[in-house]
Amino acid sequence: QKEVEQNSGPLSVPEGAIASLNCTYSDRGSQSFFWYRQYSGKSPELIMSIYSNGDKEDGRFTAQLNKASQYVSLLIRDSQPSDSATYLCAVRARNNNDMRFGAGTRLTVKP
Amino acid sequence: DVKVTQSSRYLVKRTGEKVFLECVQDMDHENMFWYRQDPGLGLRLIYFSYDVKMKEKGDIPEGYSVSREKKERFSLILESASTNQTSMYLCASSPQPSGHDFGPGTRLTVT
Repeated sequence: QKEVEQNSGPLSVPEGAIASLNCTYSDRGSQSFFWYRQYSGKSPELIMSIYSNGDKEDGRFTAQLNKASQYVSLLIRDSQPSDSATYLCAVRARNNNDMRFGAGTRLTVKP
Repeated sequence: DVKVTQSSRYLVKRTGEKVFLECVQDMDHENMFWYRQDPGLGLRLIYFSYDVKMKEKGDIPEGYSVSREKKERFSLILESASTNQTSMYLCASSPQPSGHDFGPGTRLTVT
């Protein structure tokens, strides 16, 4: 089992719709969870971090964490063509300096 | 607004050459990381460092070494470059427990 798993996609949504990206992780000791956006040919950019169960909202983005289910998700409301990118889920364990990344989900938002 | 810089965006080297990739961060972060990113394989951790002169092996350290003589600088060394080391190399830094700030990446081609 991979440490961090994401739906490989690609995921395609129409402009204005909600895009839902999902991620599961295997290490129950994980404490910090992150979503990165990566445009083609560019390096990943941190867009959301979440550390406790529940929802965290930032503009059109909402991260959701359920530690009991070992599940973290990212919702993008009112999706725009500029949101088209690969989204990487990442997990950091407690007292552990390294980060584990999922393989990424490619999102396409169609005008 | 520069945070993490890498010495080269594109690099072409010959098989057997010794290759140095430099990374500098200006945020006084304790942790620094080197990843490689390949299509279909995602981000794979090569080495990371949580303090000056400290280093830890990641998932794929073979054929690589690192050096961290100053807090702001983390170097990746390919002792004898091989064609299977052709990849995008990404440097990142972070304070615990926050997410990474990535550099722009170095696309290395070994011929």
